[in-house]
Amino acid sequence: QKEVEQNSGPLSVPEGAIASLNCTYSDRGSQSFFWYRQYSGKSPELIMFIYSNGDKEDGRFTAQLNKASQYVSLLIRDSQPSDSATYLCAVNAGGYQKVTFGTGTKLQVIP
Amino acid sequence: DTGVSQNPRHKITKRGQNVTFRCDPISEHNRLYWYRQTLGQGPEFLTYFQNEAQLEKSRLLSDRFSAERPKGSFSTLEIQRTEQGDSAMYLCASSGEVGNTEAFFGQGTRLTVV
Repeated sequence: QKEVEQNSGPLSVPEGAIASLNCTYSDRGSQSFFWYRQYSGKSPELIMFIYSNGDKEDGRFTAQLNKASQYVSLLIRDSQPSDSATYLCAVNAGGYQKVTFGTGTKLQVIP
Repeated sequence: DTGVSQNPRHKITKRGQNVTFRCDPISEHNRLYWYRQTLGQGPEFLTYFQNEAQLEKSRLLSDRFSAERPKGSFSTLEIQRTEQGDSAMYLCASSGEVGNTEAFFGQGTRLTVV
């Protein structure tokens, strides 16, 4: 079982819709959770992080964490064509543990 | 610029040559990570440092790969006797410690082995 799992997509949504990206992780002791956006040929850019159960909102982005289900998601409201990218989920188990990435979900926002 | 800096941005080398990459982290960050990424894949963990101590190295990493972080500042990643399979984007990231573990990436070094 992979440590961090994501559906590779592509996930296609129309412009203005809500895009929902999902991620599961295997280490129940994980403490920190991150979402990165990566455009083709560029390095990952941190867009959200969440440490506690529940929702965290930042502009059009909402991160949701459910530690009991070992599940973290990213919602993008009012999706724009510029949101088209690969979204990487990353998890840190805390202490001296490394940050582990999923393989990413490719999002396509159709104008 | 106070972000993570990587040099060079691009490197083309012949198979069998050695290459070295440099990463300068965000100044107040004491954790530094190296990842490798190939097309269509997420970043693959290579190794990471807490200050000057190398805390973990991927079991998948061959002995041809070595990393250092003298004095807990910049880091270098060396690949000896490069192979075509080493062609990838090499990413460096840095972060703080507990409560401030968000990792920020440099622009990466794209290695092409011909």
